[in-house]
Amino acid sequence: DAEITQSPRHKITETGRQVTLACHQTWNHNNMFWYRQDLGHGLRLIHYSYGVQDTNKGEVSDGYSVSRSNTEDLPLTLESAASSQTSVYFCASSERGAYNEQFFGPGTRLTVL
Amino acid sequence: DAKTTQPNSMESNEEEPVHLPCNHSTISGTDYIHWYRQLPSQGPEYVIHGLTSNVNNRMASLAIAEDRKSSTLILHRATLRDAAVYYCILRDKGRDDKIIFGKGTRLHILP
Repeated sequence: DAEITQSPRHKITETGRQVTLACHQTWNHNNMFWYRQDLGHGLRLIHYSYGVQDTNKGEVSDGYSVSRSNTEDLPLTLESAASSQTSVYFCASSERGAYNEQFFGPGTRLTVL
Repeated sequence: DAKTTQPNSMESNEEEPVHLPCNHSTISGTDYIHWYRQLPSQGPEYVIHGLTSNVNNRMASLAIAEDRKSSTLILHRATLRDAAVYYCILRDKGRDDKIIFGKGTRLHILP
């Protein structure tokens, strides 16, 4: 069955380190998205991509970057991790078209000490 | 983008129907009404969407007002597993594919 996976599921890192969170989907979806969710808050869009070599900034993109070299993967990089980036990160994918549903991964819990 | 307004939280008894309201008075003619929910410790999942007519699927029903300025997600017989945050979202079919989530309604199910 097609799926979307995230790794690692849990990560503890130190302030200033570079961290990369992986997202992999097997649906062959063109669209991929990264969200963060802080305790007691809704999801906020970080970056998104509508296809290979396409990336766009979302609501809270500062301190994050993404690159899309193939259809299946959209890794999220924290260039220099900060304590404010402690959060749960969700990846999602969808087919083109605003009426198509987004499929979400299980999330990565990141703690920056 | 048109915005939605939902109650912060609601309670319902197990095995009873639940009606989750959403106001979207500035909806445009090309906006789809989508509902997602997020169970505890999980990513969001799609529930249902509609444009003008009422919609049913295995999870829920969506009732859309005739003027489309409001809609209601109906869970016909709530179970404890339906306790979640429910998000009402407008998505314009002619624009970006991204979703901007609001705060949603936290639904508590009482046994």
